[in-house]
Parts: sequence; C-alpha cells; structure tokens
Amino acid sequence: TQLLEQSPQFLSIQEGENLTVYCNSSSVFSSLQWYRQEPGEGPVLLVTVVTGGEVKKLKRLTFQFGDARKDSSLHITAAQPGDTGLYLCAGAQGAQKLVFGQGTRLTINP
Amino acid sequence: KAGVTQTPRYLIKTRGQQVTLSCSPISGHRSVSWYQQTPGQGLQFLFEYFSETQRNKGNFPGRFSGRQFSNSRSEMNVSTLELGDSALYLCASSRLAGESGELFFGEGSRLTVL
Repeated sequence: TQLLEQSPQFLSIQEGENLTVYCNSSSVFSSLQWYRQEPGEGPVLLVTVVTGGEVKKLKRLTFQFGDARKDSSLHITAAQPGDTGLYLCAGAQGAQKLVFGQGTRLTINP
Repeated sequence: KAGVTQTPRYLIKTRGQQVTLSCSPISGHRSVSWYQQTPGQGLQFLFEYFSETQRNKGNFPGRFSGRQFSNSRSEMNVSTLELGDSALYLCASSRLAGESGELFFGEGSRLTVL
C-alpha cells in the first residue's frame, strides 16, 4: 500500500490543454515536494509547500497543499511538449525519510 | 557547482553476483540517500547516511547495504543478486539530514540482473 497515491498514473493530452495531477494520503505531512523526472535523468525539485492551503505558482504550474496537509495538486495551464515527464510528489513527516508517490507519467503531444 | 555523480551508469549482472554502486554528492552536502526506482513500485527508500552514520533504513532485505566515507561519498552494495533487483538506483544528496532539505538526485545507475 502506497502512503501517497498519485492520480492519474498516466496522462496523455494535446499541447495547449490544461491538466491537474493529484497526490493524496490519509496521513498528515509537515511538507510536500513535487519533482519532475525526465528520461535518463534523476528527479528535479519543482516546489516545496509547507503550509496548509498554500498555493505556489511556477510559470504555468500551480501547486496547492491541502488545508489538512494530507493532499496536494499540480495544475498545468496550456501544457507544452516540454512539460512531458514523470511527476512525483513526496511527503515529509518530521525527521523521517521522504515518502514518494508512484508518479504520474505525463505526455504532451504536439 | 558539480551535481551528484553516480557510477556506473549502466551495468548488467547475473543472478547470485554482487554489485557496488558509487555516489559522489554535491560539494558541501553531508547527507546521502539511496532510492530504488522500478516501474511497478516507484521510488522506494533504501537508506540515508549523514556524517558516515546510517540515519534511516527502508524495508529492504539485508542483502542491501551501504556506507558513507569521511568525504561524504557513499557506496551501496547488493549481494546475491535476484532478478527483481533490476532497477534504477538513485542517489540523492542534501545539505541537511532528514526531510528538511531539497534532495538533489544523480542520474542513477541502471542495474539489469539476468
């Protein structure tokens, strides 16, 4: 059983469309991170959210941390082929190791 | 500054053999974590080292071990390889131990066990 469930696991859309990826858990996290991983590379941190209800924007990407700090979402506006990759959420609980979701594999078709 | 360096990038082994993977963290980073990534299980935590001491360990059998040297470089070893050990092994470094710091990942070592 995954502590962090990401949905959808796979998403293929056309360039210009909007999309939302979800990261859900029954556990509370002190912070949550989103990473993007491209083929042949390691994950790269996109954002860290630490406050319940927090919203952070990174160009066309909007990240939200749930009020109860149990879930998070990533919204991409006007997706571009360069957004293609594996998106991973990772939750932190105190001094424990980061727990990763299984990831959402996103493909943006030109 | 140079990123996290993992060697080798690719390797092929047969069942029963053992393998050692190496990770050089970003200069100044003292924490090194290892993860196993497979399509079915995603990123699974193996262990974390800080100042040559193992701080956390994931739920992997004793065949998986690691160590960290005084220069913060780390190695992980897998003995008696099984087919299911085929995976991308990722190393990540951070300035601080635990979850508070951003993880900087290497490109990984892709292990294939035949």
